[in-house]
Amino acid sequence: AQSVTQLGSHVSVSEGALVLLRCNYSSSVPPYLFWYVQYPNQGLQLLLKYTSAATLVKGINGFEAEFKKSETSFHLTKPSAHMSDAAEYFCAVSNTGNQFYFGTGTSLTVIP
Amino acid sequence: GAGVSQTPSNKVTEKGKYVELRCDPISGHTALYWYRQSLGQGPEFLIYFQGTGAADDSGLPNDRFFAVRPEGSVSTLKIQRTERGDSAVYLCASSLQGGFTDTQYFGPGTRLTVL
Repeated sequence: AQSVTQLGSHVSVSEGALVLLRCNYSSSVPPYLFWYVQYPNQGLQLLLKYTSAATLVKGINGFEAEFKKSETSFHLTKPSAHMSDAAEYFCAVSNTGNQFYFGTGTSLTVIP
Repeated sequence: GAGVSQTPSNKVTEKGKYVELRCDPISGHTALYWYRQSLGQGPEFLIYFQGTGAADDSGLPNDRFFAVRPEGSVSTLKIQRTERGDSAVYLCASSLQGGFTDTQYFGPGTRLTVL
């Protein structure tokens, strides 16, 4: 069985501060992990994905995530938050490529 | 280029009615996925098409739900005898070939409300 847990349904950061969104996964086999962003009234957009290559994955808009097998984590970070980063973020896991299991999402608020 | 489109954007229906939700994937994408997103939840997998065939329909909640993709392009999600619990945003995504290394592109969704 596969699942992801996103700790913190709401995260607030000041503009320019570090963004850290947490994701822990459960998978019986090596997982493939994804982060998606959903801006208001828009479809989900892929930020980055881990597919067993480098453990530190760089994505769009300055985001990156590190796969840590020992901690079963795939946390999303960005060194400096922008106002435009305010959105809903979803972590997802798959090991078949057919079924993708999403977390419940984290709403990021950026305070000016 | 055009992305994934879904129609209608909103659908309000009465309990017990039949509804159809349409998805137009990106041209040339062979893989198509349907998800359901309830309020406060992440997307929940429903079904995956590879070409015209449903390669994995294990996420469909019951036999009231059915989806087709007769020509390997447009897909329709059909819900019979709708229930209030079916109210959600239904998302469609497509990818070039399918598989976990392939990027899924999502549509804006159809918001279904069952009264």
